[in-house]
Amino acid sequence: RKEVEQDPGPFNVPEGATVAFNCTYSNSASQSFFWYRQDCRKEPKLLMSVYSSGNEDGRFTAQLNRASQYISLLIRDSKLSDSATYLCVVIIYTGTASKLTFGTGTRLQVTL
Amino acid sequence: GEEVAQTPKHLVRGEGQKAKLYCAPIKGHSYVFWYQQVLKNEFKFLISFQNENVFDETGMPKERFSAKCLPNSPCSLEIQATKLEDSAVYFCASSQHVRENTEAFFGQGTRLTVV
Repeated sequence: RKEVEQDPGPFNVPEGATVAFNCTYSNSASQSFFWYRQDCRKEPKLLMSVYSSGNEDGRFTAQLNRASQYISLLIRDSKLSDSATYLCVVIIYTGTASKLTFGTGTRLQVTL
Repeated sequence: GEEVAQTPKHLVRGEGQKAKLYCAPIKGHSYVFWYQQVLKNEFKFLISFQNENVFDETGMPKERFSAKCLPNSPCSLEIQATKLEDSAVYFCASSQHVRENTEAFFGQGTRLTVV
């Protein structure tokens, strides 16, 4: 089983739709969680951190469920420019080692 | 610098040749991470450094891959005797800390093609 799992998609949605992605992680020692966005094989860029209480940034809402070990990303009112691959990233650190572990990414295609 | 700088952007090597990739982290960032992204989009962790010390090398294929971060020099990732399956984009990232919610910033990547 992979450490971080995502549905690869693609998710094809019309403009204005609401879309949600989930990500599950296997290591209960995971301590930090992020959603990154990657466009067309460019470098990943931070979309948002995911806090225990859940957080919102404009049209984007992230949630963390530690008990079930998953995080989610909700995008409301999708725009064409939201088309990208969304990567779930989990950090596990033990004090002597640290690793950002990536999910395989979920591809989103927003259409007219 | 204000961004993670990776060089070169593209690198083509014949099978068996050596490849060397460079990464200059953001000034003030103590941690550097190397990742390999192959066609299936999976990011494979290779190695991380805390300043010039190896922090975590659990992802490094030990036989042909090596990496260094020396003071006052860009970090480097070297692949001896490249193979076709080494073709990938190699991303470097840096972060100030590894504490909770500390963002990692990525360079633009080096696309290695082994022919």
